[in-house]
Amino acid sequence: DAKTTQPNSMESNEEEPVHLPCNHSTISGTDYIHWYRQLPSQGPEYVIHGLTSNVNNRMASLAIAEDRKSSTLILHRATLRDAAVYYCILRGLGQNFVFGPGTRLSVLP
Amino acid sequence: DVKVTQSSRYLVKRTGEKVFLECVQDMDHENMFWYRQDPGLGLRLIYFSYDVKMKEKGDIPEGYSVSREKKERFSLILESASTNQTSMYLCASSLGESSYNEQFFGPGTRLTVL
Repeated sequence: DAKTTQPNSMESNEEEPVHLPCNHSTISGTDYIHWYRQLPSQGPEYVIHGLTSNVNNRMASLAIAEDRKSSTLILHRATLRDAAVYYCILRGLGQNFVFGPGTRLSVLP
Repeated sequence: DVKVTQSSRYLVKRTGEKVFLECVQDMDHENMFWYRQDPGLGLRLIYFSYDVKMKEKGDIPEGYSVSREKKERFSLILESASTNQTSMYLCASSLGESSYNEQFFGPGTRLTVL
């Protein structure tokens, strides 16, 4: 399984944008980049995913580097409810999700 | 609203007991998964199923078994619970095997084995 590297923790101020980085230098051409987050005392929830092009949805944006060796999850205006552990995961054909330690995001009021 | 439900949020059992953790999804998904989550170890896949009556071992199947008699229900069984099986157990489902399919998770069951 291809691996991802994320910072252990990040901090943001409320209502400011947050850029959560993920490195995946060994990504293969068919790997999708998925982001999930896990709020306290809850199961993980899907945030966004992409293959090559940048993606936007109501929760976040995903910016994928041209060489696909890194990506950034962008929360446009962080709220206190966005405090969670964010997981960046690569998933290839026939592979299961492999959750790493993720990035613990703290949002300061 | 799509939903994955788990039978209990909290469960306390004694060593040696047989434990059943139930998971139900209402999305008509083919695939269902059981994970456990422990501090410092993240989520680890125990078993998964791509169809009714079908099961595959994940990364840590030892001490567990599963049952999938109906499409919407996936049960995790601890034949003889041990203290090292104290953990948060998470069930998930997804529509298909494609690498772009998202997984939907239940709220988790925190199991304590005394």
